[in-house]
Amino acid sequence: DARVTQTPRDKVTEMGQEVTMRCQPILGHNTVFWYRQTMMQGLELLAYFRNRAPLDDSGMPKDRFSAEMPDATLATLKIQPSEPRDSAVYFCASGLSGAETQYFGPGTRLLVL
Amino acid sequence: GQQLNQSPQSMFIQEGEDVSMNCTSSSIFNTWLWYKQDPGEGPVLLIALYKAGELTSNGRLTAQFGITRKDSFLNISASIPSDVGIYFCAPQTGANNLFFGTGTRLTVIP
Repeated sequence: DARVTQTPRDKVTEMGQEVTMRCQPILGHNTVFWYRQTMMQGLELLAYFRNRAPLDDSGMPKDRFSAEMPDATLATLKIQPSEPRDSAVYFCASGLSGAETQYFGPGTRLLVL
Repeated sequence: GQQLNQSPQSMFIQEGEDVSMNCTSSSIFNTWLWYKQDPGEGPVLLIALYKAGELTSNGRLTAQFGITRKDSFLNISASIPSDVGIYFCAPQTGANNLFFGTGTRLTVIP
């Protein structure tokens, strides 16, 4: 049963600290997405990659957020320095290019104090 | 920019009742998807619609792709407690680009 995995599931940190979230896409999927979900804004696309290359990161605050795919089995989303307004659930999703279905991970619940 | 409106924002219904929710957009889309998010989990695809006017069913779920390609609705018949969650419409322009609606939060009262 192939699934997208995300670590950590929960993270509490203090303002100013660096936060790194990790995602393992489903094996064989070549497209990876990062979303942020808050009550106020709903689900927002932050960035997505195809074949490990970033295609669109226009939804991401560039000054503090960065997203990378060091290899095909790992995607990372980093926030440095973190701020209270970054508190949200961050989802990773993977899929195949040309296919509409995105498979979501369970999310990382981030709380910045 | 394109606007996506999903309604209602929330619904409280009795078990056994039917549910209807919809999304309207200012833009035309080629595909409409409906996702469900269970509490504490990521969204999961329920139904995909590919053609204007298409009506598709999946068990107790029925969804339609509006003829103008700017809207879609999702119906759930005979609701049960496990239907609780947030339902998102997600129209797609292509190249994996999804736009998510604001969600309809469904509560089913046993």
